[in-house]
Amino acid sequence: DVKVTQSSRYLVKRTGEKVFLECVQDMDHENMFWYRQDPGLGLRLIYFSYDVKMKEKGDIPEGYSVSREKKERFSLILESASTNQTSMYLCASSLAVSNQPQHFGDGTRLSIL
Amino acid sequence: SQQGEEDPQALSIQEGENATMNCSYKTSINNLQWYRQNSGRGLVHLILIRSNEREKHSGRLRVTLDTSKKSSSLLITASRAADTASYFCVRDTPLVFGKGTRLSVIA
Repeated sequence: DVKVTQSSRYLVKRTGEKVFLECVQDMDHENMFWYRQDPGLGLRLIYFSYDVKMKEKGDIPEGYSVSREKKERFSLILESASTNQTSMYLCASSLAVSNQPQHFGDGTRLSIL
Repeated sequence: SQQGEEDPQALSIQEGENATMNCSYKTSINNLQWYRQNSGRGLVHLILIRSNEREKHSGRLRVTLDTSKKSSSLLITASRAADTASYFCVRDTPLVFGKGTRLSVIA
């Protein structure tokens, strides 16, 4: 079974801090994704990556950056955290961008104070 | 919007009953996927149905797809308390999620 592991289930940070959310998958998937999930808004795509060092903006990339130095690891970076980035963050991986299921981690609930 | 729109937003049924959730979308698709999310957890893939398929089964789950009406439905038969979750339909490339249907199965 595919395993997608997010480094923290819960995280509390302060406004202005640089925040790193880490995600690791063990199935050699080419594609990895970061979403945020907010009540009433559903899941929204922040960034995705289709190969090492490659990235594409999703629907809401502002205030975020990503890093994919190794195939198995995809990091989401909040350069200067703000309170409106308090959310549930979900990482996923898949064999292909389309026509394949995505496998999700358990999520990181991030609070910015 | 390219979102799948699930209907109803919330559904409450008794254990043993069937649960039907519907999804509509606006643009043409290659495939449509259904996911489940238990409270506070990540999403779990249930079924992928391709645009040339009309129906697909997996255990107690049945998914139908009507591309002429741009709609899909997920049927859960003989529901259990453990089926309590949010269910999302998702169109592809890249995946665009709706807001989901919250299903509560009461024992």
